[in-house]
Amino acid sequence: GAGVSQSPSNKVTEKGKDVELRCDPISGHTALYWYRQSLGQGLEFLIYFQGNSAPDKSGLPSDRFSAERTGGSVSTLTIQRTQQEDSAVYLCASSLMSAGESNYGYTFGSGTRLTVV
Amino acid sequence: KNQVEQSPQSLIILEGKNCTLQCNYTVSPFSNLRWYKQDTGRGPVSLTIMTFSENTKSNGRYTATLDADTKQSSLHITASQLSDSASYICVVSAPGGYNKLIFGAGTRLAVHP
Repeated sequence: GAGVSQSPSNKVTEKGKDVELRCDPISGHTALYWYRQSLGQGLEFLIYFQGNSAPDKSGLPSDRFSAERTGGSVSTLTIQRTQQEDSAVYLCASSLMSAGESNYGYTFGSGTRLTVV
Repeated sequence: KNQVEQSPQSLIILEGKNCTLQCNYTVSPFSNLRWYKQDTGRGPVSLTIMTFSENTKSNGRYTATLDADTKQSSLHITASQLSDSASYICVVSAPGGYNKLIFGAGTRLAVHP
Protein backbone atom coordinates (compact mmCIF):
# COMPACT_ATOMS: atom_id res chain seq x y z
CA GLY A 1 0.00 0.00 0.00
CA ALA A 2 0.90 3.64 -0.12
CA GLY A 3 1.34 4.04 3.60
CA VAL A 4 1.85 2.16 6.84
CA SER A 5 -1.29 0.29 7.77
CA GLN A 6 -2.17 -0.68 11.31
CA SER A 7 -5.00 -2.81 12.57
CA PRO A 8 -7.21 -2.73 14.41
CA SER A 9 -7.61 1.03 14.73
CA ASN A 10 -9.29 0.60 18.09
CA LYS A 11 -9.23 -2.27 20.54
CA VAL A 12 -11.02 -2.60 23.85
CA THR A 13 -10.04 -5.59 25.91
CA GLU A 14 -10.60 -6.90 29.39
CA LYS A 15 -7.76 -6.89 31.87
CA GLY A 16 -5.84 -10.14 31.72
CA LYS A 17 -6.61 -10.90 28.08
CA ASP A 18 -3.98 -11.11 25.35
CA VAL A 19 -4.04 -8.75 22.35
CA GLU A 20 -2.29 -8.70 18.99
CA LEU A 21 -1.65 -5.53 17.07
CA ARG A 22 -0.65 -5.63 13.42
CA CYS A 23 1.53 -3.38 11.30
CA ASP A 24 1.92 -3.51 7.52
CA PRO A 25 4.90 -1.31 6.62
CA ILE A 26 5.54 0.34 3.30
CA SER A 27 6.79 -2.23 0.82
CA GLY A 28 10.58 -2.24 0.67
CA HIS A 29 11.11 -0.45 3.96
CA THR A 30 13.69 -2.41 5.89
CA ALA A 31 13.39 -0.61 9.21
CA LEU A 32 10.27 -0.97 11.35
CA TYR A 33 9.62 0.58 14.75
CA TRP A 34 6.93 0.21 17.38
CA TYR A 35 6.16 3.10 19.71
CA ARG A 36 3.68 3.66 22.49
CA GLN A 37 2.01 7.02 23.06
CA SER A 38 0.30 7.59 26.35
CA LEU A 39 -1.95 10.59 26.91
CA GLY A 40 0.14 13.74 27.26
CA GLN A 41 3.42 11.86 26.88
CA GLY A 42 6.02 11.69 24.15
CA LEU A 43 6.32 8.61 22.02
CA GLU A 44 8.03 5.79 23.88
CA PHE A 45 10.23 3.43 21.88
CA LEU A 46 9.32 -0.23 22.20
CA ILE A 47 11.14 -2.31 19.59
CA TYR A 48 13.07 -1.94 16.35
CA PHE A 49 13.50 -4.33 13.41
CA GLN A 50 16.14 -3.80 10.73
CA GLY A 51 16.26 -6.25 7.87
CA ASN A 52 17.30 -9.71 9.03
CA SER A 53 19.19 -8.46 12.08
CA ALA A 54 18.15 -9.41 15.58
CA PRO A 55 15.57 -6.88 16.79
CA ASP A 56 16.36 -4.33 19.45
CA LYS A 57 13.86 -5.12 22.19
CA SER A 58 15.35 -2.78 24.75
CA GLY A 59 12.24 -0.60 24.91
CA LEU A 60 9.76 -3.32 25.76
CA PRO A 61 8.43 -2.47 29.24
CA SER A 62 7.96 -6.04 30.48
CA ASP A 63 8.08 -9.65 29.37
CA ARG A 64 4.36 -9.46 28.67
CA PHE A 65 5.28 -7.55 25.51
CA SER A 66 6.71 -9.26 22.45
CA ALA A 67 6.89 -8.58 18.74
CA GLU A 68 7.86 -10.39 15.61
CA ARG A 69 8.31 -9.49 12.01
CA THR A 70 7.64 -12.21 9.50
CA GLY A 71 9.42 -12.25 6.16
CA GLY A 72 10.84 -8.82 6.77
CA SER A 73 7.45 -7.26 6.23
CA VAL A 74 4.38 -7.52 8.48
CA SER A 75 4.94 -7.10 12.20
CA THR A 76 2.79 -8.16 15.12
CA LEU A 77 3.03 -6.70 18.61
CA THR A 78 1.59 -9.00 21.27
CA ILE A 79 0.67 -7.97 24.79
CA GLN A 80 -0.10 -10.83 27.14
CA ARG A 81 -2.22 -10.56 30.28
CA THR A 82 -3.04 -6.93 29.57
CA GLN A 83 -3.09 -4.41 32.40
CA GLN A 84 -4.88 -1.07 32.59
CA GLU A 85 -1.57 0.77 32.35
CA ASP A 86 -1.12 -0.78 28.90
CA SER A 87 -3.87 1.50 27.62
CA ALA A 88 -2.29 3.77 25.02
CA VAL A 89 -1.97 4.38 21.31
CA TYR A 90 0.50 1.98 19.73
CA LEU A 91 2.18 3.44 16.67
CA CYS A 92 4.19 1.64 14.03
CA ALA A 93 6.62 3.39 11.69
CA SER A 94 8.78 2.22 8.83
CA SER A 95 11.75 3.67 6.99
CA LEU A 96 13.94 2.83 4.02
CA MET A 97 16.92 2.88 6.33
CA SER A 98 17.52 3.37 9.99
CA ALA A 99 16.30 6.89 10.55
CA GLY A 100 19.01 7.48 13.10
CA GLU A 101 21.83 6.76 10.65
CA SER A 102 20.53 8.87 7.87
CA ASN A 103 18.11 11.64 7.21
CA TYR A 104 15.49 9.30 5.84
CA GLY A 105 12.10 10.09 7.19
CA TYR A 106 9.76 7.83 9.02
CA THR A 107 6.29 7.06 7.83
CA PHE A 108 3.93 6.41 10.69
CA GLY A 109 0.74 4.45 10.72
CA SER A 110 -2.40 5.90 12.30
CA GLY A 111 -1.94 3.71 15.34
CA THR A 112 -4.03 1.31 17.36
CA ARG A 113 -5.81 2.79 20.34
CA LEU A 114 -5.80 0.12 23.04
CA THR A 115 -8.12 0.43 26.00
CA VAL A 116 -7.87 -2.12 28.80
CA VAL A 117 -10.94 -2.18 31.03
CA LYS B 1 14.69 14.42 32.89
CA ASN B 2 13.39 14.26 29.36
CA GLN B 3 16.15 14.84 26.84
CA VAL B 4 13.78 16.77 24.57
CA GLU B 5 11.67 19.48 26.19
CA GLN B 6 8.98 21.38 24.32
CA SER B 7 7.17 24.55 25.19
CA PRO B 8 4.52 25.62 25.55
CA GLN B 9 2.55 22.48 26.36
CA SER B 10 -0.47 23.98 24.67
CA LEU B 11 -1.28 27.10 22.74
CA ILE B 12 -4.39 28.78 21.42
CA ILE B 13 -4.17 31.34 18.63
CA LEU B 14 -6.57 33.04 16.25
CA GLU B 15 -6.72 32.09 12.62
CA GLY B 16 -4.31 34.14 10.54
CA LYS B 17 -1.89 34.81 13.38
CA ASN B 18 1.69 33.57 13.58
CA CYS B 19 3.14 31.45 16.36
CA THR B 20 6.44 29.94 17.43
CA LEU B 21 6.93 26.64 19.21
CA GLN B 22 10.12 25.86 21.12
CA CYS B 23 12.23 22.74 21.53
CA ASN B 24 15.25 22.42 23.84
CA TYR B 25 17.29 19.24 23.87
CA THR B 26 20.20 17.75 25.74
CA VAL B 27 20.92 14.89 23.32
CA SER B 28 24.60 15.20 22.42
CA PRO B 29 26.01 14.60 19.95
CA PHE B 30 23.06 14.55 17.69
CA SER B 31 22.53 13.63 14.06
CA ASN B 32 19.34 15.37 13.12
CA LEU B 33 16.30 17.12 14.48
CA ARG B 34 12.81 16.66 13.12
CA TRP B 35 9.50 18.37 13.56
CA TYR B 36 6.33 16.35 13.13
CA LYS B 37 2.67 17.30 12.98
CA GLN B 38 0.22 14.88 14.52
CA ASP B 39 -3.47 15.34 13.90
CA THR B 40 -5.84 13.82 16.43
CA GLY B 41 -6.21 10.10 15.82
CA ARG B 42 -3.45 10.00 13.23
CA GLY B 43 0.21 9.14 13.18
CA PRO B 44 2.87 11.88 13.12
CA VAL B 45 3.72 13.36 9.72
CA SER B 46 7.14 14.81 9.03
CA LEU B 47 7.39 18.58 8.49
CA THR B 48 11.14 19.18 8.48
CA ILE B 49 14.41 17.35 9.02
CA MET B 50 17.58 19.30 9.85
CA THR B 51 21.14 18.12 10.39
CA PHE B 52 23.43 19.84 12.88
CA SER B 53 24.89 21.98 10.10
CA GLU B 54 21.56 23.44 9.02
CA ASN B 55 20.15 26.57 10.65
CA THR B 56 16.77 26.80 9.00
CA LYS B 57 14.43 24.81 6.85
CA SER B 58 11.03 25.71 5.47
CA ASN B 59 8.04 23.70 4.39
CA GLY B 60 5.31 26.01 3.16
CA ARG B 61 4.08 28.08 6.08
CA TYR B 62 6.26 26.11 8.49
CA THR B 63 9.82 27.27 9.18
CA ALA B 64 12.11 25.41 11.54
CA THR B 65 15.29 26.89 12.98
CA LEU B 66 18.14 25.16 14.75
CA ASP B 67 20.89 26.49 16.99
CA ALA B 68 23.17 23.53 17.66
CA ASP B 69 25.33 25.58 20.03
CA THR B 70 22.49 26.32 22.42
CA LYS B 71 20.66 23.10 21.56
CA GLN B 72 17.47 24.90 20.71
CA SER B 73 15.05 24.62 17.84
CA SER B 74 11.88 26.47 17.00
CA LEU B 75 9.01 25.91 14.63
CA HIS B 76 7.38 29.05 13.29
CA ILE B 77 3.93 28.85 11.73
CA THR B 78 2.92 31.76 9.55
CA ALA B 79 -0.64 32.88 8.80
CA SER B 80 -2.16 30.03 10.76
CA GLN B 81 -5.13 28.09 9.44
CA LEU B 82 -7.75 26.05 11.25
CA SER B 83 -6.15 22.91 9.81
CA ASP B 84 -2.95 23.71 11.70
CA SER B 85 -4.69 22.59 14.89
CA ALA B 86 -2.66 19.56 15.93
CA SER B 87 0.20 18.43 18.15
CA TYR B 88 3.67 19.40 17.01
CA ILE B 89 6.42 17.06 18.07
CA CYS B 90 10.16 17.71 18.18
CA VAL B 91 12.34 14.63 17.67
CA VAL B 92 16.10 14.35 18.08
CA SER B 93 18.33 11.48 17.01
CA ALA B 94 21.97 10.76 17.80
CA PRO B 95 24.56 9.39 15.38
CA GLY B 96 26.48 6.13 15.50
CA GLY B 97 24.67 3.16 14.10
CA TYR B 98 20.92 2.72 14.17
CA ASN B 99 19.32 4.85 16.83
CA LYS B 100 16.14 5.27 18.71
CA LEU B 101 14.68 8.67 18.07
CA ILE B 102 13.95 10.70 21.19
CA PHE B 103 10.56 12.36 21.12
CA GLY B 104 9.39 15.43 22.92
CA ALA B 105 5.94 15.39 24.49
CA GLY B 106 4.68 17.83 21.90
CA THR B 107 2.91 21.18 21.85
CA ARG B 108 -0.84 21.03 21.31
CA LEU B 109 -1.87 23.93 19.07
CA ALA B 110 -5.46 25.03 18.66
CA VAL B 111 -6.31 27.58 15.98
CA HIS B 112 -9.63 29.31 16.54
CA PRO B 113 -11.63 31.25 13.95
